[in-house]
Amino acid sequence: DIQMTQSPSSLSASVGDRVTITCRASQSISRYLNWYQQKPGKAPKLLIYAASNLQSGVTTRFTGSGSGTDFTLTISSLQPEDFATYYCQQSYSSPSYTFGQGTKLEIK
Amino acid sequence: QVQLVQSGAEVKKPGASVKVSCKASGYTFSSYGISWVRQAPGQGLEWMGWISAYNGNTNYAQKVQGRVTMTTDTSTSTAYMELRSLRSDDTAVYYCARVDSGSDRDAFDIWGQGTMVTVSS
Repeated sequence: DIQMTQSPSSLSASVGDRVTITCRASQSISRYLNWYQQKPGKAPKLLIYAASNLQSGVTTRFTGSGSGTDFTLTISSLQPEDFATYYCQQSYSSPSYTFGQGTKLEIK
Repeated sequence: QVQLVQSGAEVKKPGASVKVSCKASGYTFSSYGISWVRQAPGQGLEWMGWISAYNGNTNYAQKVQGRVTMTTDTSTSTAYMELRSLRSDDTAVYYCARVDSGSDRDAFDIWGQGTMVTVSS
């Protein structure tokens, strides 16, 4: 099974900061990597698919990059609504999927 | 609009079964897969399995294999997830999600609102 490891597990930042979250796969997954945002009490929301493609309707503050085993999600100029938990997900082994453990982004 | 609407919260005793429904609207149901994902209180997302709404093919996570059955009813555009032999560690919010496996992506683009399943004696 492909394991996904995110870092850091939690992160404190201020409005206006630029933050980067990293996701590493246990084997090469090409660009089969998605990112989701989840707010408390809500369902996850797709932000980025295929490593770097912005889902329709998602703000351009979010960018994704990477391929192979190492991926990043960058949020430029944090806004109050961006404080949430972020998950990466591999779809290389579709229709079997794996999520990372999550990164909680909190207000400093 | 495209949406998935799930059934309501359930409370079950250990050893019982639960069946959660997920009704799709606003798109051609058979053109997409459905995955089920659960989230225990305060924990991360755990993928449970996938079903093709086109032909009913399934793929289950090893952790729940043997206890879970996913089905679809194309006449009502509804997906179902049944989990048997419930244990306390099955207490979680259960989500269904539409799986868009197009030419350029394979991602969960639409999610249901979640169904809380509580297992307690």
